[in-house]
Amino acid sequence: AQKVTQAQTEISVVEKEDVTLDCVYETRDTTYYLFWYKQPPSGELVFLIRRNSFDEQNEISGRYSWNFQKSTSSFNFTITASQVVDSAVYFCALSEEEGNTPLVFGKGTRLSVIA
Amino acid sequence: DVKVTQSSRYLVKRTGEKVFLECVQDMDHENMFWYRQDPGLGLRLIYFSYDVKMKEKGDIPEGYSVSREKKERFSLILESASTNQTSMYLCASSPNSGQQETQYFGPGTRLLVL
Repeated sequence: AQKVTQAQTEISVVEKEDVTLDCVYETRDTTYYLFWYKQPPSGELVFLIRRNSFDEQNEISGRYSWNFQKSTSSFNFTITASQVVDSAVYFCALSEEEGNTPLVFGKGTRLSVIA
Repeated sequence: DVKVTQSSRYLVKRTGEKVFLECVQDMDHENMFWYRQDPGLGLRLIYFSYDVKMKEKGDIPEGYSVSREKKERFSLILESASTNQTSMYLCASSPNSGQQETQYFGPGTRLLVL
């Protein structure tokens, strides 16, 4: 069975600090996909990244970066120079390769960035 | 841009009422999903559908049913609402390209059952 663990329930940082959100997953599949979503106070989940299990290159998008390590089954998310607008709940999710299967979500990490 | 809309942002119902939550997507996606979100539990899948008139149970289908008569619309039905169904309900859709594609979410419906 697939499982996603986000051990950090809540994190608080001061603006401009860097912060890393951890995600550890379990799967028996050799091909799978990993996702990160952001849920701001408005409630809508906003897609951030989708990563195939064969692509272990780290990715950077502006202040956001993702570190995918198959050896430790982790897909961690780092925000550099955090801002108040980054305050949200962040979800990591996992799915099988096949297209019509649902995502398995972690329980989320609530990030508060304090000015 | 992908657009997933949900019929209500907030809903208040009484115990025993039949409740309909509607979800519409405008990107011709084959797959649609209903999740509920509760504090400390994350998102849990209720039902999903990968084609018109097709449905599959998720992790917590008890007390719910669904309807998919048209490709763009996926309805979640609470046959007899109970207080433990007070929750945030999120709808999502994704294309079926043969591999896992990104799911796009609607704004959510916060349901309160009194």
